[in-house]
Amino acid sequence: DSGVTQTPKHLITATGQRVTLRCSPRSGDLSVYWYQQSLDQGLQFLIQYYNGEERAKGNILERFSAQQFPDLHSELNLSSLELGDSALYFCASSVRTSGANTGELFFGEGSRLTVL
Amino acid sequence: AQSVTQPDIHITVSEGASLELRCNYSYGATPYLFWYVQSPGQGLQLLLKYFSGDTLVQGIKGFEAEFKRSQSSFNLRKPSVHWSDAAEYFCAVGGNYGGSQGNLIFGKGTKLSVKP
Repeated sequence: DSGVTQTPKHLITATGQRVTLRCSPRSGDLSVYWYQQSLDQGLQFLIQYYNGEERAKGNILERFSAQQFPDLHSELNLSSLELGDSALYFCASSVRTSGANTGELFFGEGSRLTVL
Repeated sequence: AQSVTQPDIHITVSEGASLELRCNYSYGATPYLFWYVQSPGQGLQLLLKYFSGDTLVQGIKGFEAEFKRSQSSFNLRKPSVHWSDAAEYFCAVGGNYGGSQGNLIFGKGTKLSVKP
């Protein structure tokens, strides 16, 4: 158990719809990362938040957005869903100290999104 | 551009045989290197990591990896594979940007099958 909790574990929806994925990081972790895992693209970094602020952006579509709340949980919003958005979405968190960020990430078990 | 290449998509080994999974990286600065394992339906679990120092690092479950800067490689090894090692293995590279980033770049993964 990594300590990172993601809900829901599975989600089936239709094209054009909007969904929200939720992530609770490990206790004390300030950084949250979102990744998308698909068969053809592998693990793609989407976005990172640190203590409520966006810190880095990867291959995140404009239809997708995320935020991190004061209690440090994060939500990934996916809108105008397309068939190609079907994937496993992972949240990860990491320890952020006053010095170097070692970059080790702790992953949740993922939310599997199926768009029909 | 930063990237990670895992040349082998799928490897099958016999139980008790030795294992080596290849990983090559491209990174502009001193890399932090990681190997993660993903069992079916699970999140990613960290096997081992390299930041600096001894280029041979030991991880969990009897795995080790060797960092070779001259070859830009970080191959994962295990002397004797167990059936429970069947999973997908991901190599990843990251770096320390003074704490401003921490996202990892992942290879496409190598799926390991173990024959009885």
